[in-house]
Amino acid sequence: DAKTTQPPSMDCAEGRAANLPCNHSTISGNEYVYWYRQIHSQGPQYIIHGLKNNETNEMASLIITEDRKSSTLILPHATLRDTAVYYCIVRVRGTASKLTFGTGTRLQVTL
Amino acid sequence: DSGVTQTPKHLITATGQRVTLRCSPRSGDLSVYWYQQSLDQGLQFLIQYYNGEERAKGNILERFSAQQFPDLHSELNLSSLELGDSALYFCASSVGTEGATEAFFGQGTRLTVV
Repeated sequence: DAKTTQPPSMDCAEGRAANLPCNHSTISGNEYVYWYRQIHSQGPQYIIHGLKNNETNEMASLIITEDRKSSTLILPHATLRDTAVYYCIVRVRGTASKLTFGTGTRLQVTL
Repeated sequence: DSGVTQTPKHLITATGQRVTLRCSPRSGDLSVYWYQQSLDQGLQFLIQYYNGEERAKGNILERFSAQQFPDLHSELNLSSLELGDSALYFCASSVGTEGATEAFFGQGTRLTVV
């Protein structure tokens, strides 16, 4: 799986958009970009994934650059409950491929 | 609720002992993953099973073993426990078919070795 680089921490004011960047410059054509988050000591929670097109669901939006070397997870209106560690993972598509977590970005949402 | 069930939620045991952690995946999911998270550490991938067979192995100690049964539940066996094995142990499951599939995590088992 390709290596990812994320800032160790970020702050965001409640109600504002949180934009979390991820660099995955060695991503290959058959690798997807996944985002998970972990709220303190809970099991990680799946957020969104994409291959090359931008994706949106009820939780977030995922913007992937045209060269696929980086992506941004957008939480449009961050709340205190979004305070968590966010993990960007690139993962080969296919049968039950391994899911490896890096160190992630610790997002602190403040009043 | 992710649909992945882990038991027990908490476990306290002494050094040198052996414990078994259990994971019931979501209905229909064929793939099971085990992770270890020590205090203030990241999620370390241990091992993955797919439809009963070992698929990938990470940083799993020789004292640890796992298996996936025909009904697809999985067990992680930890033996000769040491203080450093104290951690949260997470199980995740996914459908595991071709294409992009997300994994769903259980709430973990907190193991304390004293």
